[in-house]
Parts: sequence; structure tokens; C-alpha cells
Amino acid sequence: EAAVTQSPRSKVAVTGGKVTLSCHQTNNHDYMYWYRQDTGHGLRLIHYSYVADSTEKGDIPDGYKASRPSQENFSLILELASLSQTAVYFCASSGTFSNERLFFGHGTKLSVL
Amino acid sequence: GMPVEQNPPALSLYEGADSGLRCNFSTTMKSVQWFQQNHRGRLITLFYLAQGTKENGRLKSTFNSKERYSTLHIKDAQLEDSGTYFCAAYQGGRALIFGTGTTVSVSP
Repeated sequence: EAAVTQSPRSKVAVTGGKVTLSCHQTNNHDYMYWYRQDTGHGLRLIHYSYVADSTEKGDIPDGYKASRPSQENFSLILELASLSQTAVYFCASSGTFSNERLFFGHGTKLSVL
Repeated sequence: GMPVEQNPPALSLYEGADSGLRCNFSTTMKSVQWFQQNHRGRLITLFYLAQGTKENGRLKSTFNSKERYSTLHIKDAQLEDSGTYFCAAYQGGRALIFGTGTTVSVSP
């Protein structure tokens, strides 16, 4: 089974602070994604990447940056965390084509106070 | 409308019952995936379909790209089937588009 590991599993941040969420995959997958899930809702795409050193905007990129320093690692950065960014964040990876089966991490529960 | 509409929003079943979930798409999709989110919040991939029907135990999923829908059928529901089920479709270009989910509650 392919493995996607997120860290931290949960985090409490202060408004205006910087938050970095990390994701590591051992699947040798080209595609990596960051999704956000709000209570009672589905997942929305924030940023994704299909190659190291390159990232693409998803559907809700405002307030977020992403970094893909290597094929295995993909980070989500909140430079100035806001209350509205309280959510659960999921990292995922998939193979060469972005419509292949997704493998998800456990999720990171972020609370901004 | 929404590119992926998922119905029903919630579903209550007794153990042993059969039922189905449906996703309708506003446009032609190239593939669909179904996920279960368990009580711990973990997302588990159930099916990936580019066409046709797949079965896995008591679960069966169908994807009809021409008619723009996908279904997930639960047979002989068990308590462990409780959770939220999401469909997600791939249109092309960027990544998957998720439905809003169906919360399934199975009771004895």
C-alpha cells in the first residue's frame, strides 16, 4: 500500500502566525495535492504539483503557498494564518496522470485562534 | 450548478439493508473515484473507475460517463459501513472535483 505521511497531525496556531504543513510520500508518484475539508463539506483543492520545484494553483489558493522541493515532499504554507483557515488539511498523491487513484494522508487538523 | 452533485446528503440504514448513493455530473467526466471517510476522519479509496462497473465485497460502483453519473451500492449494510462517502470526478486539466458527501448511518 502506498504511503503518504503528514505532519503534524494537529496544530493550534495564532492569528497572523506562520504555519507550515508537511507531506511526504514514498510512492514514487509525480502528482501531489493539498486539499482542505471544512466541517460537513467535501474537499477543495488548494495547490497541487506534478513535478519537483513547481506548483500549481487549485480552486482556493488565496492565503496559501506551496513548495515542492523534491518528488517526495510537498509543503503547504500559511504565511499569515487567519481564523477562516481553521480546517482539516489532506495531502494526497497519485501516479503519472492526475486522474489516477489518489492516496491520502491521515489529515492535519489546524485550529487558528 | 455544481459540477458534481451527490445525493442523498444523508442516509440511515438498518443492518442487512441494501441502498445506493449517486453522483450526477454537469459535464462529461473521464473517471470517478469513491471514498469513505471513517469516524477517525481517514479517507479510504473504495473504487477508481474510468468506465463500467466494479465490485468489492458488498460494495459495487458504476460509472456512466455518457449519461453523466456514478453510483455506489451498499449491499447487506454493516455497522462498519457508517461514515461519509464522497465521489470525486476527473474532468481533465487540474485535479479531482469532489462531491459534498453522503453521511451513512447504519444501526442495529
